[in-house]
Amino acid sequence: KQEVTQIPAALSVPEGENLVLNCSFTDSAIYNLQWFRQDPGKGLTSLLLIQSSQREQTSGRLNASLDKSSGRSTLYIAASQPGDSATYLCALVSGAAGNKLTFGGGTRVLVKP
Amino acid sequence: SAVISQKPSRDICQRGTSLTIQCQVDSQVTMMFWYRQQPGQSLTLIATANQGSEATYESGFVIDKFPISRPNLTFSTLTVSNMSPEDSSIYLCSAESPVEQFFGPGTRLTVL
Repeated sequence: KQEVTQIPAALSVPEGENLVLNCSFTDSAIYNLQWFRQDPGKGLTSLLLIQSSQREQTSGRLNASLDKSSGRSTLYIAASQPGDSATYLCALVSGAAGNKLTFGGGTRVLVKP
Repeated sequence: SAVISQKPSRDICQRGTSLTIQCQVDSQVTMMFWYRQQPGQSLTLIATANQGSEATYESGFVIDKFPISRPNLTFSTLTVSNMSPEDSSIYLCSAESPVEQFFGPGTRLTVL
C-alpha cells in the first residue's frame, strides 16, 4: 500500500525567504507525482507534474525534484510572497494504489509580509 | 490542460435529502474522478466515473450512497443520498488530461 507523508504540516516564513516543502512516499514504483496548491475552501490548482523518468520540473519560482530511490520529492518556492500562502499537497500515481492518485496530508504555508 | 467547472459551488441541505453535483470538463477526457475532502483533511477518492458503465467505488463508498453518472466524455454527476451531518465536506471532481490531473473548484456541502 502506498503512503504519502508531508512534513511539516504547517510552516510560517517571512516574505522573501525560500520555501522548502517535503513529500515522502513508501513505494518507489510510481508513475508520476504532482504538486498542487489549495486556497482555503477552494479546489486544487496543479503546479507541477514530474513523470517517473524525470528528476525535476521548473515553473517560474517553483522547482520540484523527485528522488524515487529515497522515496522523496521536494518543492522549492524561491523568494516567497504573501500570495504564496496556501496549502500545498503532493500526490502520486503508483501501481500500489491501483494507478490512482494518493495524496499527502498537505503543508499549510503562511508567508508573513 | 483541462478546465473543470462544478455546480453548485456550495449548498446547505437538510438531513435525509439528496444533492446532485454536476461536473463539466471543457474537453473530452477518458478518466474522471470524484473526491471528498472532510474539514481539515486531505482528499479521499470516492470513485472513478466510467463512461458508459458503472462507476468504480473505493473501499468504504457504495453506489447507494453516492450514485454517479457519466453519460459522455465531458460530463459527470455525483449524488450524495440520504444526507447526514457527517456528509458535510467539499466534494471535488477531477479529470486526467492526459497524465496530469486537473480539479474543479469544489462543492462545499453543509448538512444540518
